[in-house]
Amino acid sequence: GEDVEQSLFLSVREGDSSVINCTYTDSSSTYLYWYKQEPGAGLQLLTYIFSNMDMKQDQRLTVLLNKKDKHLSLRIADTQTGDSAIYFCAEIASASKIIFGSGTRLSIRP
Amino acid sequence: DAMVIQNPRYQVTQFGKPVTLSCSQTLNHNVMYWYQQKSSQAPKLLFHYYDKDFNNEADTPDNFQSRRPNTSFCFLDIRSPGLGDAAMYLCATSSTSGSDNEQFFGPGTRLTVL
Repeated sequence: GEDVEQSLFLSVREGDSSVINCTYTDSSSTYLYWYKQEPGAGLQLLTYIFSNMDMKQDQRLTVLLNKKDKHLSLRIADTQTGDSAIYFCAEIASASKIIFGSGTRLSIRP
Repeated sequence: DAMVIQNPRYQVTQFGKPVTLSCSQTLNHNVMYWYQQKSSQAPKLLFHYYDKDFNNEADTPDNFQSRRPNTSFCFLDIRSPGLGDAAMYLCATSSTSGSDNEQFFGPGTRLTVL
């Protein structure tokens, strides 16, 4: 079955880059997503990448996809305190269903 | 201009006492989902409605039921809550006519079971 794995915690210094990694199992996934969850809130789509792409950049966010290794990463440049949140990697499992990883809690230190 | 609304935000119930959580949406999306999220875990899909078609996940306990009376509203009924059902419950919507299958989440209802 489908499975998405992430490391649970990441701590970076304010102003540095954050890199959150994810591995997935379903090679047929057409879309891969990064969702952000702030404390006490629902999930919000940050960005996504289509499976025929290797990279997608959106302002401070860069998504890299290595299909051979089934590895997805999210890089946040110039990390700010407002970036503190839990980041979920997700892959599409069917037309109306996605599978989430367990989330990476990003904390920012001064 | 809230798009996915969940009420209440916090719900306290007693062990075994039925409880209903509600979700409404202004997006006119045809798919609505209910997820259970426990601390430091991924959201776990309980079931979803594709239009009026109900799709239950194989490992969702019978204790959990859902109703979707119209496009805008969806309810989660927990018939006999146990202590293990204490969690955040997230409602989400998506449109199958969209190209990226983005799911739009509500803020969640945190359920406490005493």
